[in-house]
Amino acid sequence: KNEVEQSPQNLTAQEGEFITINCSYSVGISALHWLQQHPGGGIVSLFMLSSGKKKHGRLIATINIQEKHSSLHITASHPRDSAVYICAVRSRFSNYQLIWGAGTKLIIKP
Amino acid sequence: NAGVTQTPKFQVLKTGQSMTLQCAQDMNHNSMYWYRQDPGMGLRLIYYSASEGTTDKGEVPNGYNVSRLNKREFSLRLESAAPSQTSVYFCASSDFREDGELFFGEGSRLTVL
Repeated sequence: KNEVEQSPQNLTAQEGEFITINCSYSVGISALHWLQQHPGGGIVSLFMLSSGKKKHGRLIATINIQEKHSSLHITASHPRDSAVYICAVRSRFSNYQLIWGAGTKLIIKP
Repeated sequence: NAGVTQTPKFQVLKTGQSMTLQCAQDMNHNSMYWYRQDPGMGLRLIYYSASEGTTDKGEVPNGYNVSRLNKREFSLRLESAAPSQTSVYFCASSDFREDGELFFGEGSRLTVL
C-alpha cells in the first residue's frame, strides 16, 4: 500500500464545476504540499499545509491531521486548470525527503 | 527574481557519454533536490542536499553523482549515460526552517541513444 494515495487518478469535468481532489497518507507528517504540473511543463507549488485551510484565488486546500487526509478544491473550474495535481508529504522524521502521490490528471472541458 | 534555474533544458547523449546538469537557486534555501520523472510516472528522488556540504542518496541514485558546490548550486552528473536514464530531470529547493514551500526548475529533458 502506498504511503500517499490520491483519488481520483483521472477526473474530467465541465467548465464551471466544483472540483475536489483527495489525498490520504499513512505516515506522520510535518507538512503536506499540493503542486500542479501542466502537460510538458514545469511543476508549480500551490500550497504547503501543516494544519487547517488555505485559499488562493479559486483554489482551496484543507488538511485534517487526525484523519490523515487533505483535499484540494477548485471553484468555478476553467480549461486552464487542466493539469496533473500532485500531493506530497514531508515525513515527520525527515524534513528533507518528500513522499509523493501518483498525481490526479484533471481535464476541464469548455 | 529567477527562483530555480536549470541548464541545459534539452540534451541528447550517446550511450557512455557523460554530462552535468546544473542547478542554481537564488532564494538562500538550505535544501536542494534532484528528481527524475519518467513518462506517466511520478517524481523519484535521485539525490538531495539538506544543507551546504552535505548530500544524500534518494530512491534512485545509481548511475548519478552530485555536488553541492555552495549554497546556491547543486549539480547532477551522469558519468556514463545509459538509455535507462532518458527522462526529464527536475531540480528543486526549499527551506524547511521557514515556510518550507518547494520551488522547481523548469526541467531538463535528457535523451540517451
